[in-house]
Amino acid sequence: GNSVTQMEGPVTLSEEAFLTINCTYTATGYPSLFWYVQYPGEGLQLLLKATKADDKGSNKGFEATYRKETTSFHLEKGSVQVSDSAVYFCALSGFQKLVFGTGTRLLVSP
Amino acid sequence: DGGITQSPKYLFRKEGQNVTLSCEQNLNHDAMYWYRQDPGQGLRLIYYSQIVNDFQKGDIAEGYSVSREKKESFPLTVTSAQKNPTAFYLCASSFRREGYTGELFFGEGSRLTVL
Repeated sequence: GNSVTQMEGPVTLSEEAFLTINCTYTATGYPSLFWYVQYPGEGLQLLLKATKADDKGSNKGFEATYRKETTSFHLEKGSVQVSDSAVYFCALSGFQKLVFGTGTRLLVSP
Repeated sequence: DGGITQSPKYLFRKEGQNVTLSCEQNLNHDAMYWYRQDPGQGLRLIYYSQIVNDFQKGDIAEGYSVSREKKESFPLTVTSAQKNPTAFYLCASSFRREGYTGELFFGEGSRLTVL
């Protein structure tokens, strides 16, 4: 069945460091891929998405490229800020529902 | 503003009581979902509904019940049969598509604590 695997956290970085959060997936067909962000005590917000192979989703300085050959959708940001501290979820579209990864906590210190 | 409204934001319950969490959306979405999130954990799907008057069990439906009498509303009842109900509950909605699901829009969540 469909599944998503994310790197375990927490990921701890200093402000202005480069961020990568790995996400790989297993799926049949051609699902869409998503990154969601969750700030403490809140619901999830869509950060970016890609609907087909080689698409690059981007938003607020974050980017991720849909790589079918490596079944990956890694999240990157060139320079993180303290305000980026949150939990990040990778997800793929399945039949009638999304399949989520377990989430990766990012902690950014000043 | 279009969105999803969950209420209450915080809820306390005594053991043995049923409680109902409200979820309302004005996005004209067909599909609605309930997830449970435990501290430091990911999301687990409780129930989902693709259309009015129809719903399906998710991965952890035992001890929960739902109804979908209106397109805009998808309330979740946490029954006394749920052994460990203390958790953060998230409601979401999306457009219904044939085949793959589109992006989900989430509410702000309801935190349930059993005393």
